[in-house]
This record gives sequence, structure tokens and C-alpha cells, in this order.
Amino acid sequence: DVKVTQSSRYLVKRTGEKVFLECVQDMDHENMFWYRQDPGLGLRLIYFSYDVKMKEKGDIPEGYSVSREKKERFSLILESASTNQTSMYLCASSLSNEQFFGPGTRLTVL
Amino acid sequence: ILNVEQSPQSLHVQEGDSTNFTCSFPSSNFYALHWYRWETAKSPEALFVMTLNGDEKKKGRISATLNTKEGYSYLYIKGSQPEDSATYLCALKGLGTGRRALTFGSGTRLQVQP
Repeated sequence: DVKVTQSSRYLVKRTGEKVFLECVQDMDHENMFWYRQDPGLGLRLIYFSYDVKMKEKGDIPEGYSVSREKKERFSLILESASTNQTSMYLCASSLSNEQFFGPGTRLTVL
Repeated sequence: ILNVEQSPQSLHVQEGDSTNFTCSFPSSNFYALHWYRWETAKSPEALFVMTLNGDEKKKGRISATLNTKEGYSYLYIKGSQPEDSATYLCALKGLGTGRRALTFGSGTRLQVQP
């Protein structure tokens, strides 16, 4: 079974803090994704990586950056957290079509 | 950005009822359509991937159909059970858009009352 893990289920941070969300997959997938989910808005793509050190902006990249130094790990970075970044963050990986999701991190920025 | 719309936004049904939801998308950019089920406190999990016009897929009491010419897919649940309560997401893989990732709809939240 494909396993996608995220470093935290719940996280509380203060405005202005630098926040790291980590995602690890164990199936040697090329593609990895970061989404955020907000009520009524579905999953919105923040960033996407299709190979080590390669990345593409998604629909809402502002305020975020990413890092993919190893194939199995994709990190989402909030350089200076703001209250409007309070959300559920989901990581996913895929080889071609089907995406496999992690359990999500619920981030609250105070 | 591709526009993927789902309706209704939420649905409350009684155990045993059959129900269906709609996902609509721009037919001109179609490559593949995905359905996912997302239960509370769990990860979204794939139900179906559909690529051909007229495709019908089935998994237990859940089935889906696809019409790429008119740009919609239906998800049906026969004899809903409380364990079917979840958010159902559809997602489009587009063609010729320069976008490699899926575009998700906002989901249909289903509550099945015992």
C-alpha cells in the first residue's frame, strides 16, 4: 500500500512565524502536491513537484514556498505565517493518474 | 484555471435511500476524471478514474458514469448507509492547458441518517 505521511495532524503557530509542513511518500512517486482545503472551496493546489528540485506554482502559491531535495520528501514552507493561512493542508503523491493523499495537517495561525 | 463544479454542495438522506451527485467540467479540455471519497479524519481515497465517453464504473453500491461530450459525470450511491457519509470530490485532468495537476471541484458532502 502506498503510504503518504505528514509530519503533524494539528499545528498552532503565531502570526509571523516560519512554518514547515513535511510530507513523505514511500512509493518512489515522481509527482508530489500540496493542497489546502477550506470550507466551500474544495482542494486548491498550492505547489506541485514533478521531480527532485523541480516545482511548479499551483493556483494559490502566494505566501508559500516549497522544497524537494529528495524524491520521497516534499516540504511546504510558510515564510511568515498569517491568519489567512489557517486551513487544512493536504499532501499527495502520484505516479501517473491516481493521487494518494496524506492525512492532512490542520494549521491554525493565531 | 479549469472550472469544475459539483452539485449539490451538501445532501442529507435517510439510510436506504439512493442518491446521486453531479460533476460538470469544460468538455473541450477533457483528459480524465477522478472521483474521490473523503471521510472525516481520514485521507481522501480514490474511487474511480474515468477516461472514455460513456464509461461506467462500479464499486459495490457506488457507480459513476461519464459524458465527455456534454461535460458531466454522475456518481450514484444505491441504498445509502451511514458509512457512506463523506465528502465526494471530483477532479479533472485537463488537456492542452499546460497544467499537470488535477483541478478539484468543491465537493458534495453527504450525510446518511440511520
